[in-house]
Amino acid sequence: KNEVEQSPQNLTAQEGEFITINCSYSVGISALHWLQQHPGGGIVSLFMLSSGKKKHGRLIATINIQEKHSSLHITASHPRDSAVYICAVGGAGNQFYFGTGTSLTVIP
Amino acid sequence: DTEVTQTPKHLVMGMTNKKSLKCEQHMGHRAMYWYKQKAKKPPELMFVYSYEKLSINESVPSRFSPECPNSSLLNLHLHALQPEDSALYLCASSQAQGGNEQFFGPGTRLTVL
Repeated sequence: KNEVEQSPQNLTAQEGEFITINCSYSVGISALHWLQQHPGGGIVSLFMLSSGKKKHGRLIATINIQEKHSSLHITASHPRDSAVYICAVGGAGNQFYFGTGTSLTVIP
Repeated sequence: DTEVTQTPKHLVMGMTNKKSLKCEQHMGHRAMYWYKQKAKKPPELMFVYSYEKLSINESVPSRFSPECPNSSLLNLHLHALQPEDSALYLCASSQAQGGNEQFFGPGTRLTVL
């Protein structure tokens, strides 16, 4: 069993739709990270969370520490949001665990 | 400067070649990481350097040899690689090892013939 599980694995949306990607983890964490990777590209850090909610432009990330669950929301999705979104957690034991990623395609 | 740079962007090498990947950051970060990423898979941790000392080696074959000459530089020396080693190699850095936010470089796309 992976320490970090994401759903869905693949997601196709029409431009303008509201998108939610979910992440569940099973280890104790110091922080949870949402990362974005465009095809063939490097990884960009979107959020680092240890509690509550953060917002940056059209992106919102929430975390529920008790339930060991986080969500990434994209409002008014756009084709340029098409990418792989990866949830990762920083463990207490100096480890960094990655989820398997959610491949998002936004169709014009 | 909030950037991690990696060179080269692309590398093609034969199984008998020796090559090196380079990573650099000037954010004062004391932890640096090498990851290997195959297509449609998440990154897999290879090595972690903390304060210029090798902290984690995830049972990586000896044909991969990391080096941290100073706090800003991280190298990955490659020798006698196999075709299955073809992948995207990502470097990252963070303020300290552990759950701190990691800043990733653009990666080196390696092809082993």
